[in-house]
Amino acid sequence: QQQVKQSPQSLIVQKGGISIINCAYENTAFDYFPWYQQFPGKGPALLIAIRPDVSEKKEGRFTISFNKSAKQFSLHIMDSQPGDSATYFCAAYNTDKLIFGTGTRLQVFP
Amino acid sequence: EPEVTQTPSHQVTQMGQEVILRCVPISNHLYFYWYRQILGQKVEFLVSFYNNEISEKSEIFDDQFSVERPDGSNFTLKIRSTKLEDSAMYFCASSELAQASGGELFFGEGSRLTVL
Repeated sequence: QQQVKQSPQSLIVQKGGISIINCAYENTAFDYFPWYQQFPGKGPALLIAIRPDVSEKKEGRFTISFNKSAKQFSLHIMDSQPGDSATYFCAAYNTDKLIFGTGTRLQVFP
Repeated sequence: EPEVTQTPSHQVTQMGQEVILRCVPISNHLYFYWYRQILGQKVEFLVSFYNNEISEKSEIFDDQFSVERPDGSNFTLKIRSTKLEDSAMYFCASSELAQASGGELFFGEGSRLTVL
């Protein structure tokens, strides 16, 4: 019940395309859902986050869609760029810790 | 821009040896964390620390692990007797506010531990 399931494991997108990464959770006590971006050799960095009282949040090219009844949330990267190539982790907050998904390696080709 | 700094960046040790990983959180932050990432796998929570005590720990954080904030700036993770399966990237993180209050977690670049 503490798990966050993430898919796909890897994603290849053409420059300018839309990248979509999906996550699902079981624990209804989760109340904060961030997405982290990680470049090789670096720590995860917060990209965008949402709370369950909102169904969508957009920041620039990045959008989180949140479906509370289905217990699912997704990250959409519009107009994907080669610089977006990284590993993306969804996460869910419970008490004082983040539960991370298994990660999606995104490659954006020019 | 303020950042979380970690040392060493890479440490190689023999099984059974003690290891101390060091972190300097962002100066006005009050909440401190250690996470680890086994190569190619997800990031896993180890421990959270606030007001000079552990606030939560995972089942991974057993008796061989300990954390300390010895001097008000450093935050250390000690592994008492390393095992092969402790080989991982260890990330320190800090936040100004509790995550329940919307505090953003800032991660360091990690310390890679290799146990031989």
